[in-house]
Amino acid sequence: EPEVTQTPSHQVTQMGQEVILRCVPISNHLYFYWYRQILGQKVEFLVSFYNNEISEKSEIFDDQFSVERPDGSNFTLKIRSTKLEDSAMYFCASSERTGVSPLHFGNGTRLTVT
Amino acid sequence: DQQVKQNSPSLSVQEGRISILNCDYTNSMFDYFLWYKKYPAEGPTFLISISSIKDKNEDGRFTVFLNKSAKHLSLHIVPSQPGDSAVYFCAASNTGTASKLTFGTGTRLQVTL
Repeated sequence: EPEVTQTPSHQVTQMGQEVILRCVPISNHLYFYWYRQILGQKVEFLVSFYNNEISEKSEIFDDQFSVERPDGSNFTLKIRSTKLEDSAMYFCASSERTGVSPLHFGNGTRLTVT
Repeated sequence: DQQVKQNSPSLSVQEGRISILNCDYTNSMFDYFLWYKKYPAEGPTFLISISSIKDKNEDGRFTVFLNKSAKHLSLHIVPSQPGDSAVYFCAASNTGTASKLTFGTGTRLQVTL
């Protein structure tokens, strides 16, 4: 069964450094998402992306965050200057279409900011 | 922001019995509801969904019931198996605006032998 793949599985970085989290969505899916889960908290929406542009973003997704689909297969999340509170599991997801269509998630990247 | 709530953090059920996981929501604009299962160190895995035009959807051992007037949904697993032990998340969205999902806090299901 096709799946969403994310790399790396674990990323450790120092505060203030830039990180790029990578995702390969399911190939025939058109909608892409990033979610995060801080330890002990809910899974939270960050951003959705369709047709090479952001379609919706949450208040968490501030100017420090950006997303890109650089080559038609990868979907990346960049955090420009990481903060301690950015430490979380980051999940990429994709769906065939919007509306009544389930999101399929990758296994996540654990980001630890020290 | 407590738009989707799962009030039971944990549930223990014997193998072969029924597991019932509950979820409440407050946003009346939600019209699509999903259940995800999550094992440690993995992402959420889609289980089953229901649109607000239905009140029941069944897929094998999994059935989701939706009570719109009570803003309540439940997931029934019959019969429960040890491999069902995981954290179960309820999620909801308003399909008219976006596919953004709002998740509950999860219920840890333990299926015992």
